[in-house]
Amino acid sequence: RKEVEQDPGPFNVPEGATVAFNCTYSNSASQSFFWYRQDCRKEPKLLMSVYSSGNEDGRFTAQLNRASQYISLLIRDSKLSDSATYLCAVSWYSSASKIIFGSGTRLSIRP
Amino acid sequence: EAGVTQFPSHSVIEKGQTVTLRCDPISGHDNLYWYRRVMGKEIKFLLHFVKESKQDESGMPNNRFLAERTGGTYSTLKVQPAELEDSGVYFCASSPGGAGANVLTFGAGSRLTVL
Repeated sequence: RKEVEQDPGPFNVPEGATVAFNCTYSNSASQSFFWYRQDCRKEPKLLMSVYSSGNEDGRFTAQLNRASQYISLLIRDSKLSDSATYLCAVSWYSSASKIIFGSGTRLSIRP
Repeated sequence: EAGVTQFPSHSVIEKGQTVTLRCDPISGHDNLYWYRRVMGKEIKFLLHFVKESKQDESGMPNNRFLAERTGGTYSTLKVQPAELEDSGVYFCASSPGGAGANVLTFGAGSRLTVL
């Protein structure tokens, strides 16, 4: 079993739709969780950290479910510019340490 | 503030040759990571430096790969001799110490093609 798993997609949704994807992790002791965004042929960029209580940044909401060992990302009112690959990342520690990435979920927003 | 800089952006070499990739992290960042993305697969961790020390090198595939970070500033990743399966994009990332230590800033990557 992979340490971090994501549905590869692609998710193809119309502009304005709400879309959500999950990411599961295998190590129950994992401490830190993140969502990154990667555009085609570019480097990953941090979208948001995921906190235990859940957190929101504009149209983006991230949640953590420790009991079921998954994190989720919800995008409301999707824009064409949201088209990208979304990577979840997990660290076993709260301090600097190896961060493990999922293979990413590809999202395509159509006009 | 300058970001993470990687060089070269693209390298094409023949099997058996040597390639050295360089990463300049954000100034003052103690943590430096190397990752690799092979086509169609996830970004895989290679190793983590804290200043000049290797904190975790559990992801290094084999002894053909050698990473250094002399002086705790820039880092190099040497592949010698290169094999076909080494092709991919090598990303470097850095982070500060303290509270932001797990928030990585990535470089644009070095694409390696081994023929």
